[in-house]
Amino acid sequence: SAVISQKPSRDICQRGTSLTIQCQVDSQVTMMFWYRQQPGQSLTLIATANQGSEATYESGFVIDKFPISRPNLTFSTLTVSNMSPEDSSIYLCSVRTGDNYGYTFGSGTRLTVV
Amino acid sequence: LAKTTQPISMDSYEGQEVNITCSHNNIATNDYITWYQQFPSQGPRFIIQGYKTKVTNEVASLFIPADRKSSTLSLPRVSLSDTAVYYCLVVPISGSARQLTFGSGTQLTVLP
Repeated sequence: SAVISQKPSRDICQRGTSLTIQCQVDSQVTMMFWYRQQPGQSLTLIATANQGSEATYESGFVIDKFPISRPNLTFSTLTVSNMSPEDSSIYLCSVRTGDNYGYTFGSGTRLTVV
Repeated sequence: LAKTTQPISMDSYEGQEVNITCSHNNIATNDYITWYQQFPSQGPRFIIQGYKTKVTNEVASLFIPADRKSSTLSLPRVSLSDTAVYYCLVVPISGSARQLTFGSGTQLTVLP
């Protein structure tokens, strides 16, 4: 299965600022996915990032708030913009690595907005 | 999208077999069933997946009855390190993550 490196692992940010989260995969993948996990909750899909095209966002998530880049087949970034305390969550990236291995997730970025 | 229902929490003791059942009444013909494990401060980790009958790997077994409206994850002889949240998901064979929907999961606590 793929190996994902996600950075930063955690950060504490001031409200009104932005944070960019990086996700690097050790193999080329068509689609990369970004999730949010609020404290004590399950995972919610934010968007799907395809190389060479704009990301596809799920209901309740917009590009202005969560811009995504996908410059190549092994890398993606998610930016959390104009942050508020409600954005405090764990953000995870994920890729699909084949039928026998399901989806692989990064270790997550724990974001605290103060 | 097939919705899943599973117990919010379960307790077990070390060395016991644990069975977590998931209900997915409106599963489609093209859906398969997959289970993930998540430890605190980590991303979910794939455990097992199946379409029908029984699947076994080095970690767990997955039992799926003929009607496929439920599935049971079986963890043999659990240890303290198996304490985690376990998610049951129904995923279309096409594999689009737009349809990778996480339910509430089951918090398994293994006691000494």
